[in-house]
Amino acid sequence: NAGVTQTPKFQVLKTGQSMTLQCAQDMNHEYMSWYRQDPGMGLRLIHYSVGAGITDQGEVPNGYNVSRSTTEDFPLRLLSAAPSQTSVYFCASSLAGANVLTFGAGSRLTVL
Amino acid sequence: EDQVTQSPEALRLQEGESSSLNCSYTVSGLRGLFWYRQDPGKGPEFLFTLYSAGEEKEKERLKATLTKKESFLHITAPKPEDSATYLCAVQAWNNNAGNMLTFGGGTRLMVKP
Repeated sequence: NAGVTQTPKFQVLKTGQSMTLQCAQDMNHEYMSWYRQDPGMGLRLIHYSVGAGITDQGEVPNGYNVSRSTTEDFPLRLLSAAPSQTSVYFCASSLAGANVLTFGAGSRLTVL
Repeated sequence: EDQVTQSPEALRLQEGESSSLNCSYTVSGLRGLFWYRQDPGKGPEFLFTLYSAGEEKEKERLKATLTKKESFLHITAPKPEDSATYLCAVQAWNNNAGNMLTFGGGTRLMVKP
């Protein structure tokens, strides 16, 4: 099993550009989520989904959009990138009946 | 609001020198406390879940313990390959956010040969 796959691994954007971070899991997990990791602040929840067609906001949702059209995929969209969105982004998934999250390898985003 | 504080931020050990990492937490009804290991450039990797005060779990040189206010990750006779950042996180019973975790800032462990 590949687990949780994130692409791209690295990305550099200019302020105002848009892009999508991709996340796919092959474990048939119902729950998927996006976290961002910044130095000294730990991981913080951006958006999450408890199933296909269902998404909701986490702790720091501003500037990000998500959708969940299939169980496997949960892309994160930045509509107009800002320097404050420079961070490392992690996608995670879990079974609804279990509470252990499996994380992807991360996507490092730099906004100039 | 759920909060997790980890100390120290960084810890340097000699190979074989045992020590402990601390995780202090406040949560509105603890569903679980989690320890993850994170290597540079990689995602967090699950180590342990603890559910109630007094519980202990072990894996190789690592042992995690839990009280009502804090958790400790004890590292016995560490090796250089134990060098990593160790993350502590809590999950609350009133969490409706898809198994959301609240993370601490992590402890970066460096073990020198």
